Amino acid sequence: SAVISQKPSRDICQRGTSLTIQCQVDSQVTMMFWYRQQPGQSLTLIATANQGSEATYESGFVIDKFPISRPNLTFSTLTVSNMSPEDSSIYLCSVATGTVYEQYFGPGTRLTVT
Amino acid sequence: AQKITQTQPGMFVQEKEAVTLDCTYDTSDPSYGLFWYKQPSSGEMIFLIYQGSYDQQNATEGRYSLNFQKARKSANLVISASQLGDSAMYFCAMSQEGKSTFGDGTTLTVKP
Repeated sequence: SAVISQKPSRDICQRGTSLTIQCQVDSQVTMMFWYRQQPGQSLTLIATANQGSEATYESGFVIDKFPISRPNLTFSTLTVSNMSPEDSSIYLCSVATGTVYEQYFGPGTRLTVT
Repeated sequence: AQKITQTQPGMFVQEKEAVTLDCTYDTSDPSYGLFWYKQPSSGEMIFLIYQGSYDQQNATEGRYSLNFQKARKSANLVISASQLGDSAMYFCAMSQEGKSTFGDGTTLTVKP
């Protein structure tokens, strides 16, 4: 298994500003992902954080809006840029490990944009 | 494209009884994993159980079991002897090489 921490756990931000979310894993993992969960909805994959190269974004998500860094195999950041109220969500970091790619999630970051 | 369908937005169950949460999936890839997660009101995602597409037997983890019917593309979660602490949102997900697609979820309420 993997233990994942995220910072901050929650934040209230003003429209037009940016927030960087940190994700720290207690062991080296190859696969790390960022998900968004909008209020009352399911999880949607934003991107795969690749170590040493640019993140791979899913349809509907772009690097200018959600820049991601992955400097090593235990750490990643997601920035939500130029925020609007529609960005109010829970943002979750996750990793996949083991032979069956068992997936573990961080506690999430609750973002409210006013 | 992958798709996960959970047709029950909400379910109620009496404490100590069993409950089945439905999940169907669609994929053209023969290799995939099926997961169930529990999300309490705190928001954390808790891994419950896993079933591989090539696994012959249904997965079990304590009070959780997965009723895997490959031909019907269904992966229902069975919770036995429900407890009040089981009240939460439950998500079914299909994963391929670590990337997961989630269903819309089912809210389970356990009544005392």
